[in-house]
Amino acid sequence: DAKTTQPTSMDCAEGRAANLPCNHSTISGNEYVYWYRQIHSQGPQYIIHGLKNNETNEMASLIITEDRKSSTLILPHATLRDTAVYYCIVSPPMNTGFQKLVFGTGTRLLVSP
Amino acid sequence: ETGVTQSPTHLIKTRGQQVTLRCSSQSGHNTVSWYQQALGQGPQFIFQYYREEENGRGNFPPRFSGLQFPNYSSELNVNALELDDSALYLCASSKQGDEQYFGPGTRLTVT
Repeated sequence: DAKTTQPTSMDCAEGRAANLPCNHSTISGNEYVYWYRQIHSQGPQYIIHGLKNNETNEMASLIITEDRKSSTLILPHATLRDTAVYYCIVSPPMNTGFQKLVFGTGTRLLVSP
Repeated sequence: ETGVTQSPTHLIKTRGQQVTLRCSSQSGHNTVSWYQQALGQGPQFIFQYYREEENGRGNFPPRFSGLQFPNYSSELNVNALELDDSALYLCASSKQGDEQYFGPGTRLTVT
């Protein structure tokens, strides 16, 4: 079973920030928070990951609470092409020799004009 | 584009048949993972190969098997196909310490 809880769906207006929450209250000390998204009928796309510090890349920002029990993915200026299912996953990193990503049902984000 | 390719794109098989799906990893990646995604659900982990050996497996029966080749490409084989095997099959490649990058998937329909 997935170790994360996400809202089933969210709406966002084009050009506004999309803030997608994720609860992972049972996260272990060696587990990172990963975010992937899946646009309809395509393979999941890696977005970002982090351990405890906030992270930012060209796609998004990841804010992790100090107790690491929850996080928020931020798409700063959502576009129609950001409409997708967003998955929050907790997992040890690949450099431990093995990584199994456990996907839940994710958050379906709809960006509207 | 992740550089991970899968073939075929779509496939229709009959119950009881066998199927082989193929995955070409991104250059420099030595680990490949396979996932099954049923309609309306998130991907489910099948197994992972590292340097040609299976190093982890999910809750799938033995009729799901795989291979990884010296060039790190991979195959997923499913024997005795069942109707419930109809799904999108995804492979993901990675290197140690890196993230998993997914291919576009193979849509398998079992009739």
